[in-house]
Amino acid sequence: AQSVTQLGSHVSVSEGALVLLRCNYSSSVPPYLFWYVQYPNQGLQLLLKYTTGATLVKGINGFEAEFKKSETSFHLTKPSAHMSDAAEYFCAVSASNTGKLIFGQGTTLQVKP
Amino acid sequence: GAVVSQHPSWVICKSGTSVKIECRSLDFQATTMFWYRQFPKQSLMLMATSNEGSKATYEQGVEKDKFLINHASLTLSTLTVTSAHPEDSSFYICAPPGPINYGYTFGSGTRLTVV
Repeated sequence: AQSVTQLGSHVSVSEGALVLLRCNYSSSVPPYLFWYVQYPNQGLQLLLKYTTGATLVKGINGFEAEFKKSETSFHLTKPSAHMSDAAEYFCAVSASNTGKLIFGQGTTLQVKP
Repeated sequence: GAVVSQHPSWVICKSGTSVKIECRSLDFQATTMFWYRQFPKQSLMLMATSNEGSKATYEQGVEKDKFLINHASLTLSTLTVTSAHPEDSSFYICAPPGPINYGYTFGSGTRLTVV
């Protein structure tokens, strides 16, 4: 079975500050890991993904995440927050044998001017 | 990348009526479609997986007779909420899975409000 835990349902940062959204996963098989962003009343947009290879992955809008197997983590970071980054962020895990995405609880990112 | 069109984007219906939500794959053939439900301020929960030409697979706890899923063609999957009640008010999102390591392309979602 797989699961995802996002630490912190709400994160608030100042504009220009570092963004760190935490995600830990549990998987009995090598996982595929994803971060999605959702704006109000919209679908989800893929930010970045880890499948195999390089453990530091870069995504859109300046976001990146590092897969750490020893820590079962896949935290999302951005060096400098913009107001437009305010949204809901979801970490998700997928197993190669099912294709289903299991989502974390989500983290609301607030960016203060 | 894959383009998915979901319709309607929002709908308000009266209790006891049925609502159909469509999800179309515009530039590829989708043999499978995942349907998710998202309650306010909550995560996405997989409801069911539709399969072209065969019965849908429902997740545990999802009422098959209430949430009718049809996947009649390689470009269209539908979710019908039958005899809707206020507790069915939610955000419904479809997603055809691509190659396993590509993640999903999600539809834009449908906001259902039952009054």
